[in-house]
Amino acid sequence: DADVTQTPRNRITKTGKRIMLECSQTKGHDRMYWYRQDPGLGLRLIYYSFDVKDINKGEISDGYSVSRQAQAKFSLSLESAIPNQTALYFCATSDNSLNTGELFFGEGSRLTVL
Amino acid sequence: QKEVEQNSGPLSVPEGAIASLNCTYSDRGSQSFFWYRQYSGKSPELIMFIYSNGDKEDGRFTAQLNKASQYVSLLIRDSQPSDSATYLCAVNRGNTGGFKTIFGAGTRLFVKA
Repeated sequence: DADVTQTPRNRITKTGKRIMLECSQTKGHDRMYWYRQDPGLGLRLIYYSFDVKDINKGEISDGYSVSRQAQAKFSLSLESAIPNQTALYFCATSDNSLNTGELFFGEGSRLTVL
Repeated sequence: QKEVEQNSGPLSVPEGAIASLNCTYSDRGSQSFFWYRQYSGKSPELIMFIYSNGDKEDGRFTAQLNKASQYVSLLIRDSQPSDSATYLCAVNRGNTGGFKTIFGAGTRLFVKA
């Protein structure tokens, strides 16, 4: 089983619908992140969390919200989806004790907004 | 100017050749540098990181860093068809966390058998 699990893996929805992408991890890492990936633009940071009580905006947080329900769970919500939010979304974790800055990614959630 | 720039490719090399992937970055405060490999439809996975100027070797992979020129590269020796993937360059202001990790758009590498 994957150490960082995302659900759903694929989702097609309509403009205006609320969508939640969930992420859970068994790595025991405190730090969790949500990125989106678009062709030609690379990975861009949406939100990050260093512990359950800490939530921070990334470079493209508009239109998104997050919830850190537990150390192991970090959810991303689109309150009212729009077509330009169609992308591949990745959850990632990192271990601040390792001091390498390495990110461990989930398998991705492909979201299509019609 | 993008913070991390890479040639999008595709870079095509024959099997057994050396593949050279390049990356430039704009923030002189960047302190740690990463190369991730991403197969089509899969998630990125770390293959190399480097903090200091010079070369760092790991098997067939060598990362090279030149902070004065704000340049980082990845050399893949004896390229194999299984190396065909997109290679993402990433830079980080600190050497922990990842919240300041900025990714390039990636270079597609194709190794011809």
